[in-house]
Amino acid sequence: AQSVTQLDSQVPVFEEAPVELRCNYSSSVSVYLFWYVQYPNQGLQLLLKYLSGSTLVKGINGFEAEFNKSQTSFHLRKPSVHISDTAEYFCAVSDPGNQFYFGTGTSLTVIP
Amino acid sequence: DTEVTQTPKHLVMGMTNKKSLKCEQHMGHRAMYWYKQKAKKPPELMFVYSYEKLSINESVPSRFSPECPNSSLLNLHLHALQPEDSALYLCASSLRTGGRTDTQYFGPGTRLTVL
Repeated sequence: AQSVTQLDSQVPVFEEAPVELRCNYSSSVSVYLFWYVQYPNQGLQLLLKYLSGSTLVKGINGFEAEFNKSQTSFHLRKPSVHISDTAEYFCAVSDPGNQFYFGTGTSLTVIP
Repeated sequence: DTEVTQTPKHLVMGMTNKKSLKCEQHMGHRAMYWYKQKAKKPPELMFVYSYEKLSINESVPSRFSPECPNSSLLNLHLHALQPEDSALYLCASSLRTGGRTDTQYFGPGTRLTVL
């Protein structure tokens, strides 16, 4: 079984500053990787996903993530955050057994 | 249309009540999911329906009873719940089960409180 680690449970960042949310997964076998965002009192929304090809994936709302196979990482980045980016962010992995695993989540708080 | 709708948004029920949560999607997806989410935690998978048949039950207590009347609808029947069942219940759908590349589309959830 896969494990998905989001080391930072909470990340405070000032508005217009860059941010990186870290995600590591346990296995180097073929996986597909996802980042979801959950705004307060809402369901989850897909930000971006890596299936194959370019290791730099661009998503919605100015977010991007880089797949690093050797480090088994899929970190999420945004060059300049807005107040509206305050939310919970979940990294997720789909493995060859068709199982879907969520990380524990990172709470991003953007400070005015 | 990439929307999954859920009703009701909020539900308060006693431990002896019977209630149902409803989920609907019109994207032609053939896989539908129920998740339970506690505050500040990731969603936990409860059930998966594939082509209207229950394909995964993650050892969920029998006081939760899922039903898939047709390809667009998913219900979760609740009976004799416990206070620890209070949580956000999320419905999701994807094009197919086992489609590793498929995006799961989530509804806004039903916030359930059991008194």
